[in-house]
Amino acid sequence: AQSVTQLGSHVSVSEGALVLLRCNYSSSVPPYLFWYVQYPNQGLQLLLKYTSAATLVKGINGFEAEFKKSETSFHLTKPSAHMSDAAEYFCAVNPMDSSYKLIFGSGTRLLVRP
Amino acid sequence: DAGVIQSPRHEVTEMGQEVTLRCKPISGHNSLFWYRQTMMRGLELLIYFNNNVPIDDSGMPEDRFSAKMPNASFSTLKIQPSEPRDSAVYFCASKAGGASYEQYFGPGTRLTVT
Repeated sequence: AQSVTQLGSHVSVSEGALVLLRCNYSSSVPPYLFWYVQYPNQGLQLLLKYTSAATLVKGINGFEAEFKKSETSFHLTKPSAHMSDAAEYFCAVNPMDSSYKLIFGSGTRLLVRP
Repeated sequence: DAGVIQSPRHEVTEMGQEVTLRCKPISGHNSLFWYRQTMMRGLELLIYFNNNVPIDDSGMPEDRFSAKMPNASFSTLKIQPSEPRDSAVYFCASKAGGASYEQYFGPGTRLTVT
């Protein structure tokens, strides 16, 4: 069965520092991959997606993610953290044998220190 | 575009009462999903509709839960009778057809059963 692992339930960075949120998937076939962000008391918002085109994907709010097949990873990065980036981030995979399912990771809460 | 609309945003009810959650998907989307989010279990897919027809309800916890989609612009999730362990945030999401894989989430309904 497909799964998604997000390393670190909490990540804390200083404002202006690099943000790195880790996501690894398990799949014999490269799936479609997504990052969503959830701000407090809100629904999930799509940050970016990988659908087998460019391996480096740029999203909203300055985030980007790189698909690395050899490492089965899809880590999310941002060069310089802003206070407004504090939220929970979810990595999700769409298995290639399903046209609709999204399997979500357990989430990583990003804290940004002033 | 108004996005996915859910009501109510908050619901507090007593154990044994019937609860109905409502969702209006994005106009033109033909897939609708109900999710439940808890600290213990994360995001769980409850049920998936395609063109108003339930396709996958394997995530519905038990017979106390039921979902309907009478038309393309409205869906309900009903819990009868409600129990304290049903307390969670319930999200509705919708997706366009074709080769689109990303789901768009509503703001959620926070349900508290006392």
